[in-house]
Amino acid sequence: SQKIEQNSEALNIQEGKTATLTCNYTNYSPAYLQWYRQDPGRGPVFLLLIRENEKEKRKERLKVTFDTTLKQSLFHITASQPADSATYLCALNTGGFKTIFGAGTRLFVKA
Amino acid sequence: GAGVSQTPSNKVTEKGKYVELRCDPISGHTALYWYRQSLGQGPEFLIYFQGTGAADDSGLPNDRFFAVRPEGSVSTLKIQRTERGDSAVYLCASSLTGEIDTQYFGPGTRLTVL
Repeated sequence: SQKIEQNSEALNIQEGKTATLTCNYTNYSPAYLQWYRQDPGRGPVFLLLIRENEKEKRKERLKVTFDTTLKQSLFHITASQPADSATYLCALNTGGFKTIFGAGTRLFVKA
Repeated sequence: GAGVSQTPSNKVTEKGKYVELRCDPISGHTALYWYRQSLGQGPEFLIYFQGTGAADDSGLPNDRFFAVRPEGSVSTLKIQRTERGDSAVYLCASSLTGEIDTQYFGPGTRLTVL
């Protein structure tokens, strides 16, 4: 069956450290993969998109990698801040219009 | 410019009742999506509109769910004979073209079926 797996356990890190979140998928061949941030009571906010032929994408303190052989994407936040605390969602698109989301990983950054 | 708005923000109804949830997308966005999100889960795709037509409604769970977008802008998600299992946050998103494009989400409508 098709699955997107994100670590269901919350990630707790100290301010200033790099947070690394993992997204693994099975039985998909995504055309591209996206990462979203979601705060409580709000809709997801788009952060980064990476295509199947790209290995890495950066935006300010954010970095995403995409390994289609391992079927894995890693999402990094460098120099993390308490304001980065949120749930981060991985989402796949296989080329059609349907976007498939993972369950998300909660990140807590302690001051 | 306004983002995606959804009304109501909260809706409490009784089992068996009919509800309508409204989505106002960003002006000029041709693509509109509805998702459902249960606690601790990611958004689950329901339906996608390109203009006025439903291009993909494969995520609608059953025939009690229906959505329209008559003028290619505002969309309404309609749920008949609501069940307790329909309780969730219903999210709407819009994007400029629907191709490889950023989706902008609204704040959602929290539906509670008693």
